[in-house]
Amino acid sequence: GGIITQTPKFLIGQEGQKLTLKCQQNFNHDTMYWYRQDSGKGLRLIYYSITENDLQKGDLSEGYDASREKKSSFSLTVTSAQKNEMAVFLCASSRDSTEVFFGKGTRLTVV
Amino acid sequence: TQTVSQSDAHVTVFEGDSVELRCNYSYGGSIYLSWYIQHHGRGLQFLLKYYSGNPVVQGVNGFEAEFSKSDSSFHLRKASVHWSDSAVYFCAVMSTNAYKVIFGKGTHLHVLP
Repeated sequence: GGIITQTPKFLIGQEGQKLTLKCQQNFNHDTMYWYRQDSGKGLRLIYYSITENDLQKGDLSEGYDASREKKSSFSLTVTSAQKNEMAVFLCASSRDSTEVFFGKGTRLTVV
Repeated sequence: TQTVSQSDAHVTVFEGDSVELRCNYSYGGSIYLSWYIQHHGRGLQFLLKYYSGNPVVQGVNGFEAEFSKSDSSFHLRKASVHWSDSAVYFCAVMSTNAYKVIFGKGTHLHVLP
């Protein structure tokens, strides 16, 4: 078994601030994902990476940057936090994308 | 472009009832289909997947799903639900020549005692 660790669990930021979310996995999976979960909108793909140093844009990449400097880690940066924004960001990894393993999420609140 | 549609945002049943959660997809090529469950306040967990072969696939805790190419569907079913099945269920699709996994908006299943 393995685990996906997301830090921090809760993140409070200010409008316009640049915020970074981190994710580590010990499954030794090649592919990693960042999703945003909003109530009533399901999971929307922000970025994914199929190997170290690879980045692929998802449907919601505008306003975000990502970095995959090591196979085990995948970070997401909110380039400019929007006021009253509230969402859960989920990191995930997969060996072959047919079964995806998720972290517990980072809950973002922007004041 | 891949799309996944879960037409019911909420489904309410009584314990012991059968339930079907609907999922329809749109994609022209070869795909994998899967279902995930998310209990309140927890991460998503894999339930089952389909790629080829028998269109009815079995998952954990008595869940099964049936693939229909003609209907572009992959509906999830359980014959007799338990209160602990109350959760949000997500359908997901991935094309076989890519790594992008797209999820539906989810169906919240409420099981009443």
